[in-house]
Amino acid sequence: NAGVMQNPRHLVRRRGQEARLRCSPMKGHSHVYWYRQLPEEGLKFMVYLQKENIIDESGMPKERFSAEFPKEGPSILRIQQVVRGDSAAYFCASSPRVFPVREDTQYFGPGTRLTVL
Amino acid sequence: GENVEQHPSTLSVQEGDSAVIKCTYSDSASNYFPWYKQELGKRPQLIIDIRSNVGEKKDQRIAVTLNKTAKHFSLHITETQPEDSAVYFCAADKGSNYKLTFGKGTLLTVNP
Repeated sequence: NAGVMQNPRHLVRRRGQEARLRCSPMKGHSHVYWYRQLPEEGLKFMVYLQKENIIDESGMPKERFSAEFPKEGPSILRIQQVVRGDSAAYFCASSPRVFPVREDTQYFGPGTRLTVL
Repeated sequence: GENVEQHPSTLSVQEGDSAVIKCTYSDSASNYFPWYKQELGKRPQLIIDIRSNVGEKKDQRIAVTLNKTAKHFSLHITETQPEDSAVYFCAADKGSNYKLTFGKGTLLTVNP
C-alpha cells in the first residue's frame, strides 16, 4: 500500500497565479480531507469530500478556494489568484469510512508546501 | 464548534524520563481522540488513538487516557528516547461531523 500521495511536494507561485494541489488517497479509501498548516500552528480543517461529493466545506475560505474529488483521478485543491497569506503546508488525509462500520482513522499524505512570492 | 486546547506548547525532558501532554476539548459529543506525531517537514503520523467508550489505551511506551466527564485526554510517553523528539498534536472528532479539530501542538525535545 503506497499510502496517501500528494503532488507536487513544493509549489512556488507568484501573487495572482493559480495553484493546483493533488491528492491520491490510500487504496480502498473513498474519503478525502484537506487541512492547512500555517508555520508553527496546528492543522486546520478545510474540506471533506467523497467521490463526486463535497460533504463538508465549512473550513474553506468562501472565495478563491475550491476542491473536487472526481470519479476517476485524484482529489484537487485549487487556489485561484493566490496571495502571500496562502503560503502554508497543505495536507490531505484519507479514511475508509465504510458504512455502516465507521473507521475514523485518517492517514495523512506528505503535504504540499505552497510558497507565494 | 469544537475547540481543542493543548498544553504545554514546548516540553523538554532528559532521555529516559517520562513526558505528558494534555488536551481539553469543548464538545461533549466528541468521541474519537487521535494523537499524531510530526517530525520537521514530514507528514503527521498517527501514533495512538482512543474512543470514548475506553478510558485508557497503551501501546508499548505510549499510553493515552481519557476523562469524558472532565473532557480532557492525555498522552504519556515513558522511557523517552531522542527519536521521540517531534511535534505532537492531539485532535478530537465528533464522529458524525467527520472532521478532526487539532490542538496547536507540543514540541517535545528529548535531550540525550
